[in-house]
Amino acid sequence: EVQLVESGGGLVQPGGSLRLSCAASGFTFSSYWMHWVRQAPGKGLVWVSRINSDGSSTSYADSVKGRFTISRDNAKNTLYLQMNSLRAEDTAVYYCARDEEGSLSYWGQGTLVTVSS
Amino acid sequence: SYELTQPPSVSVSPGQTARITCSGDALPKQYAYWYQQKPGQAPVLVIYKDSERPSGIPERFSGSSSGTTVTLTISGVQAEDEADYYCQSADSSGSYVFGTGTKVTVL
Repeated sequence: EVQLVESGGGLVQPGGSLRLSCAASGFTFSSYWMHWVRQAPGKGLVWVSRINSDGSSTSYADSVKGRFTISRDNAKNTLYLQMNSLRAEDTAVYYCARDEEGSLSYWGQGTLVTVSS
Repeated sequence: SYELTQPPSVSVSPGQTARITCSGDALPKQYAYWYQQKPGQAPVLVIYKDSERPSGIPERFSGSSSGTTVTLTISGVQAEDEADYYCQSADSSGSYVFGTGTKVTVL
């Protein structure tokens, strides 16, 4: 069974940093592109970033470019999102998701990040 | 930046048909995908590559494409179909994008 479990969310002050993790199991992690998607409270889904299967290629939404870094450790079956210079507008539930030919076929349950003083 | 536009809400009576549109300039060249999200839950893929249905998704969910608009159709709507629905595609640079979302209300 495919499982994606996010962790690392919490309360952080504006300007602070946080690293999210997504532990994958039930599939060959190193074979799939992976994504981060976020959802602010009461708002819609927003794509954040994606990484290819070996970590050599990444892409970011304009709103996080230069502040967030996606990475992966295929030996540990784990996806990461390093978030720096956090702003109030980054407050959201962050989901990791597995890519399958362009679709996000499996999602974790999400981890809440709150940016507030 | 690239945008996908959906109607904010659609209301439908049980047993009737709900149609949700998603418009975007790149849709003639890029596949569209649809997700269902119920309150407090992660999204679930219901349609991929414009019109394909993943295993386990009921046959009442279908997708179609015409020009710059893709459509998710729910035939014979059931109370359990009440949820938010999002389309998703990609732009020419490979960045992914979600639609604005549509709340489906079953009357």
